[in-house]
Amino acid sequence: AQSVTQLDSHVSVSEGTPVLLRCNYSSSYSPSLFWYVQHPNKGLQLLLKYTSAATLVKGINGFEAEFKKSETSFHLTKPSAHMSDAAEYFCVVSEGNYGQNFVFGPGTRLSVLP
Amino acid sequence: NAGVTQTPKFRILKIGQSMTLQCAQDMNHNYMYWYRQDPGMGLKLIYYSVGAGITDKGEVPNGYNVSRSTTEDFPLRLELAAPSQTSVYFCASSSRGGRLDEQFFGPGTRLTVL
Repeated sequence: AQSVTQLDSHVSVSEGTPVLLRCNYSSSYSPSLFWYVQHPNKGLQLLLKYTSAATLVKGINGFEAEFKKSETSFHLTKPSAHMSDAAEYFCVVSEGNYGQNFVFGPGTRLSVLP
Repeated sequence: NAGVTQTPKFRILKIGQSMTLQCAQDMNHNYMYWYRQDPGMGLKLIYYSVGAGITDKGEVPNGYNVSRSTTEDFPLRLELAAPSQTSVYFCASSSRGGRLDEQFFGPGTRLTVL
């Protein structure tokens, strides 16, 4: 069975400093991995996805993530945080043939301090 | 192109009441999903549909029902509302439903059962 662990429930950074949001997954097969962002009182928006092509994936708004199979990790990074990055971030693993196998992590809340 | 829309945005129900959460998508996606989001828990799949007339249970289906009479619409029915159904509900859709496909989310419905 697949599962997702997001190691930090809350991360706080200063504006202009790097962001690191950690995600580890468990999967029996070759999974796809996604990062979604949820701004307050909004729906979820896709940041980026890994689907077994390049292991370094670039997404929107300057975010990127690296798939490391040996570490079963898919950490999300950004070189310089902006105030507008403050939101909830979800790591998602999918290994099945259908979307019912989308498994969400519990989320990491990112705060950006001025 | 509105994407995935949900109504209502907010609703307060009394215990034992019933209601229908509406979801529609205009992307001609075959796959549609209902999730609930509880604090600190990520999203849990309630029901999903792989096409008009075809639905199946997800991880947490008890207390809910769905139907899919058209490609566009996927309403979620709550019968005999209970406080445990207080949550934020998200509808999503995807094109092919496989692990390579991202899901597109609506803005959510915040439901409180008192």
